[in-house]
Amino acid sequence: GAGVSQSPRYKVAKRGQDVALRCDPISGHVSLFWYQQALGQGPEFLTYFQNEAQLDKSGLPSDRFFAERPEGSVSTLKIQRTQQEDSAVYLCASRQRVYITDTQYFGPGTRLTVL
Amino acid sequence: KQEVTQIPAALSVPEGENLVLNCSFTDSAIYNLQWFRQDPGKGLTSLLLIQSSQREQTSGRLNASLDKSSGRSTLYIAASQPGDSATYLCAVKGDTDKLIFGTGTRLQVFP
Repeated sequence: GAGVSQSPRYKVAKRGQDVALRCDPISGHVSLFWYQQALGQGPEFLTYFQNEAQLDKSGLPSDRFFAERPEGSVSTLKIQRTQQEDSAVYLCASRQRVYITDTQYFGPGTRLTVL
Repeated sequence: KQEVTQIPAALSVPEGENLVLNCSFTDSAIYNLQWFRQDPGKGLTSLLLIQSSQREQTSGRLNASLDKSSGRSTLYIAASQPGDSATYLCAVKGDTDKLIFGTGTRLQVFP
């Protein structure tokens, strides 16, 4: 079956521009996660949704970062007024149920480069 | 605050060698630990998931062990192949939903 998909796969933005990154989770998966992976580092948690509810946004680095999942399926991560330090790979993951012992399935990521 | 460390950061070996990758974590109160593989430009592929009540998991040439009390896990790769070349990440799950990752071990297996 189809896995987690993300678009665009690559995004180049000029500093100060707004960007929107899309995540299509596996159909029927209740939970959705966003992670940020800087070059040479492991992914770091940004935010978590259960259906349309954003239950944890403790990892969002600033108020320039905003995520939504209005209908409980597709999610969008928006970054306003991008800065060079926002350059990273943004990974989306989904999980079938709410149980934290279940595995998360990751998409291929969106590589954001801010010039 | 949970911190996850992976040693070594990079490893280059000839084909056929048996390998051990190490992962340590500072807070032993975890629900599970997971090993992932990441190929350049790709997402993460789950290799093995060990629940906190388990000691090890095996899949093909891969074996992962977990010693929760000492905060350690090892990933053993038998008879390494060039196709095993990738970055290997370990991640722990505590009592929140987020995974906490190490910085990874970059493995190169040459023919």
